[in-house]
Amino acid sequence: GQNIDQPTEMTATEGAIVQINCTYQTSGFNGLFWYQQHAGEAPTFLSYNVLDGLEEKGRFSSFLSRSKGYSYLLLKELQMKDSASYLCAVRPTDSWGKLQFGAGTQVVVTP
Amino acid sequence: EAGVAQSPRYKIIEKRQSVAFWCNPISGHATLYWYQQILGQGPKLLIQFQNNGVVDDSQLPKDRFSAERLKGVDSTLKIQPAKLEDSAVYLCASSLGRGHNQPQHFGDGTRLSIL
Repeated sequence: GQNIDQPTEMTATEGAIVQINCTYQTSGFNGLFWYQQHAGEAPTFLSYNVLDGLEEKGRFSSFLSRSKGYSYLLLKELQMKDSASYLCAVRPTDSWGKLQFGAGTQVVVTP
Repeated sequence: EAGVAQSPRYKIIEKRQSVAFWCNPISGHATLYWYQQILGQGPKLLIQFQNNGVVDDSQLPKDRFSAERLKGVDSTLKIQPAKLEDSAVYLCASSLGRGHNQPQHFGDGTRLSIL
């Protein structure tokens, strides 16, 4: 079956670092995406991993371990505008490009 | 570039009524997706088009939901008749192709409330 798990909510202080973990069990693997979704808005693409290792993009980094079925999104130097839901999504190999999404992690940044 | 456009933004109907949503993808994007996002959950794929052909509709409740993309550009999703459990945000997304590294770009969605 398909299963993607991530914590429901995390709280952190402005300027701090937060790490959002995602574990997955899917029918094959063809890439993992992270999206950010502010309340009432569209999910926006943050990062993509298909090989093991760390991908860095400014304040955001994403890590993947395929053998462990594990990824994390690291948010550094947190800003108030980073308060949002962060969605982990996996592209299975038996898909035509579709994504299987986790339920999302609500990150709350406090002053 | 212009993003994915969806309308309406909000819709309130009574159960057993019908409703339709419209999506205009990013220009040149061959692949179009419709997702259902229930409050507190991640988006769930309903149907995927490659140009004007359906490539995945395995999770579409076909007794009440239908979708089309006649000219390979705009798409409409219809629900008839609606049930209370259909209350959700309906997101449209598009991508250049279905290549493994192609990100999907989402519209703001239509928030549907069933009374």
